[in-house]
Amino acid sequence: NAGVMQNPRHLVRRRGQEARLRCSPMKGHSHVYWYRQLPEEGLKFMVYLQKENIIDESGMPKERFSAEFPKEGPSILRIQQVVRGDSAAYFCASSPFGQGGQETQYFGPGTRLLVL
Amino acid sequence: AQSVTQLDSQVPVFEEAPVELRCNYSSSVSVYLFWYVQYPNQGLQLLLKYLSGSTLVKGINGFEAEFNKSQTSFHLRKPSVHISDTAEYFCAVTPYNTDKLIFGTGTRLQVFP
Repeated sequence: NAGVMQNPRHLVRRRGQEARLRCSPMKGHSHVYWYRQLPEEGLKFMVYLQKENIIDESGMPKERFSAEFPKEGPSILRIQQVVRGDSAAYFCASSPFGQGGQETQYFGPGTRLLVL
Repeated sequence: AQSVTQLDSQVPVFEEAPVELRCNYSSSVSVYLFWYVQYPNQGLQLLLKYLSGSTLVKGINGFEAEFNKSQTSFHLRKPSVHISDTAEYFCAVTPYNTDKLIFGTGTRLQVFP
């Protein structure tokens, strides 16, 4: 059973460009979570999605960031008009069910975004 | 609101020595507790979790942690470390009935031969 897949693993963008980060959850998992890890910091929750639904986006910046998890295909985290402060590692996690916090989230290897 | 504090940013230790990585949390509601490990350039892997029941939890790779409700702590221990345990360790909590993990800032464990 393949793990959580993220691509690209490394992404370089210039200020003002768009960044698209993809996450394919483990087979059979319908819950996806995105976290951001800034340099020298722990991971910060961004958004929780089920297929075609955003369940909790309390950690998403109000502007420029959006996420989706369509019925078919990977989950996408989109950052418009990137700025240097967006440089970070972005991790996706998945779980088969949302059980109110009890369930293990399985993490992908992350996408390291560098904004020049 | 919840927060997680990992008091040590770095812990150097010699191979075969015991180690304890400290974690304290603050929360106005009940939480589940987790320890994750991150090897260089990889994602996070679950070491162990506490949901309920016995406060001593055993995980993978010989690690264990003890939940202490009165001290709001969940320290991670291993009686004898290996070089391969060198990694970043993250403590995290999830409030009941939510699905978002709240992480500490991590402890870098470095094991020397």
